[in-house]
Amino acid sequence: DVVMTQTPVSLPVSLGGQASISCRSSQSLVHSNGNTYLHWYLQKPGQSPQLLIYRVSNRFSGVPDRFSGSGSGTDFTLKISRVEPEDLGDYYCLQSTHFPPTFGGGTKLELK
Amino acid sequence: QVQLKESGPGLVQPSRTLSLTCTVSGFSLTSYGVSWVRQPPGKGLEWIAAIWSGGSTDYNSALKSRLSISRDTSKSQVLLKMNSLQTEDTAMYFCARWLSFDYWGQGVMVTVSS
Repeated sequence: DVVMTQTPVSLPVSLGGQASISCRSSQSLVHSNGNTYLHWYLQKPGQSPQLLIYRVSNRFSGVPDRFSGSGSGTDFTLKISRVEPEDLGDYYCLQSTHFPPTFGGGTKLELK
Repeated sequence: QVQLKESGPGLVQPSRTLSLTCTVSGFSLTSYGVSWVRQPPGKGLEWIAAIWSGGSTDYNSALKSRLSISRDTSKSQVLLKMNSLQTEDTAMYFCARWLSFDYWGQGVMVTVSS
């Protein structure tokens, strides 16, 4: 199975500040069709994961442009600018290029 | 709008069988698949199983011998059965649209305890 390694595990931030989360995969996430199926989620306490970014850099419907994704191959980054209170929670990356789909271990974004 | 909702027993005894239902709306099970993902308390996410729009199924290899996923398209429901439950199966169980994982249900908490 593809191992997804997320860093850091915990990320203290100030409101209005910027946050960056890394996700690295144990093998390339480029599919044979040329697409890269790496996605980012936010899970707020007591809620289900909500899709933020799909296929590396595409914002899902309703996601503010403060969220941006980048990367290629095995190295990916989620950036959050101008952090707001509703951005706090656990962030996960997910790869669905290879079977089975696998998640990163999570990054807790919390107030400094 | 697209919605998924899980239902099932909150408490199951060890060694018994768990049955969960995911009821969907806003899309057809013959157009999109559905998967199950679980999350033990305080831990990360683990993909469990999926049923494709065509009806074929896939399972987490570590759990495959204990799992069965099926669907009733007339009721827009996907059913997950897991047998020989152990305390380690205590988790929040989510269903999500497959393979996109774009929409998720609210989850159902399952506790395995005598």
